[in-house]
Amino acid sequence: DSGVTQTPKHLITATGQRVTLRCSPRSGDLSVYWYQQSLDQGLQFLIQYYNGEERAKGNILERFSAQQFPDLHSELNLSSLELGDSALYFCASSLGTVSGNTIYFGEGSWLTVV
Amino acid sequence: SQQGEEDPQALSIQEGENATMNCSYKTSINNLQWYRQNSGRGLVHLILIRSNEREKHSGRLRVTLDTSKKSSSLLITASRAADTASYFCATDLPSGYSTLTFGKGTMLLVSP
Repeated sequence: DSGVTQTPKHLITATGQRVTLRCSPRSGDLSVYWYQQSLDQGLQFLIQYYNGEERAKGNILERFSAQQFPDLHSELNLSSLELGDSALYFCASSLGTVSGNTIYFGEGSWLTVV
Repeated sequence: SQQGEEDPQALSIQEGENATMNCSYKTSINNLQWYRQNSGRGLVHLILIRSNEREKHSGRLRVTLDTSKKSSSLLITASRAADTASYFCATDLPSGYSTLTFGKGTMLLVSP
């Protein structure tokens, strides 16, 4: 158990809908990361937050947004969903943003768009 | 695009044999990390090697890093069926932030 908690574990929704994925980082970790894993794209970095502020942005679509709250939990919002958004979405956390931190991953949220 | 590329894409061995996976990357890195993922599960951190290190051990794992060749290898000795998983290398670019860029992974199957 990495200590990173993600909900929901599985989600099935229709195209055009909006979903919210939730993440609680490990106790004491200030950084939260979101990754998307799909068969064709592999593991793609989406976005990073540190202590409530956005710190790095990767291949995140404009239809997607995220935030980190004062209690350090984070949410990833996916809107106007398309079939191609079906993937495993991971949240990860680390103590800080300094390079070399071990990044701990949650078990992921399986999103299926039908 | 992928920064790291693992080789081979798939590897099948018998229990007790050693498994070697390779990772090549394109640009300078601060460090390189290896992760394991059991089917459909989260990624488990295995080992981190910094750019100024050449070799690192952790239990049955041995990781090497050759920055001149931009490559790393992960050796699992005396493999077990429980080692069956996908293994990913991830590089930490010198951007100042800990954003890991993953390869597509090596699927390892260890048969009893």
